[in-house]
Amino acid sequence: AQSVAQPEDQVNVAEGNPLTVKCTYSVSGNPYLFWYVQYPNRGLQFLLKYITGDNLVKGSYGFEAEFNKSQTSFHLKKPSALVSDSALYFCAVRSFSGGYNKLIFGAGTRLAVHP
Amino acid sequence: GAVVSQHPSRVICKSGTSVKIECRSLDFQATTMFWYRQFPKQSLMLMATSNEGSKATYEQGVEKDKFLINHASLTLSTLTVTSAHPEDSSFYICSARHPDGVNEQFFGPGTRLTVL
Repeated sequence: AQSVAQPEDQVNVAEGNPLTVKCTYSVSGNPYLFWYVQYPNRGLQFLLKYITGDNLVKGSYGFEAEFNKSQTSFHLKKPSALVSDSALYFCAVRSFSGGYNKLIFGAGTRLAVHP
Repeated sequence: GAVVSQHPSRVICKSGTSVKIECRSLDFQATTMFWYRQFPKQSLMLMATSNEGSKATYEQGVEKDKFLINHASLTLSTLTVTSAHPEDSSFYICSARHPDGVNEQFFGPGTRLTVL
């Protein structure tokens, strides 16, 4: 079965410092991986995805993620964090079952960026 | 970009009543929509996959008679929580698959349901 793990409940980082939000996955076959961000009482916003090609994927708001097949990881990164980046981040993997493509979400990681 | 709306954004109802939540894709047609439930400080749990013109596919453990889903058009799916109870209080989020296939799903802003 496809699954995603986000080992950190919360990540704290100072504004201007680089940030990393971790994600590991377990899939059969080639993974389709995604990162979404959720602000309070809002739906999810798409940040980026990896389907194939370059292992370093660039997305919205200056975020990027590195696909590492040997470590089965897809960590989200940003070179310089902003206070406005504080939100809940979800890693997801596409799963095909019951005739449909579905997204399986990790538990989420709360990012807190301090001034 | 593609926009998905939900209505209402918040609803408070009495126990035993039914509540309908609408999910609309505003600028694209979506043959497939998804309904999720999110508990506080937890991840999204997929409840069901809604397909236009056919019956919804429910995930294991989700009561189809309690959570009625109707996908009557290519831009509208509705979730009706029937005979709501306090344990149904949650944040319900819908998403829609864009036909261009570039982005996996576009998400609505969510509906906060509180059952008294």
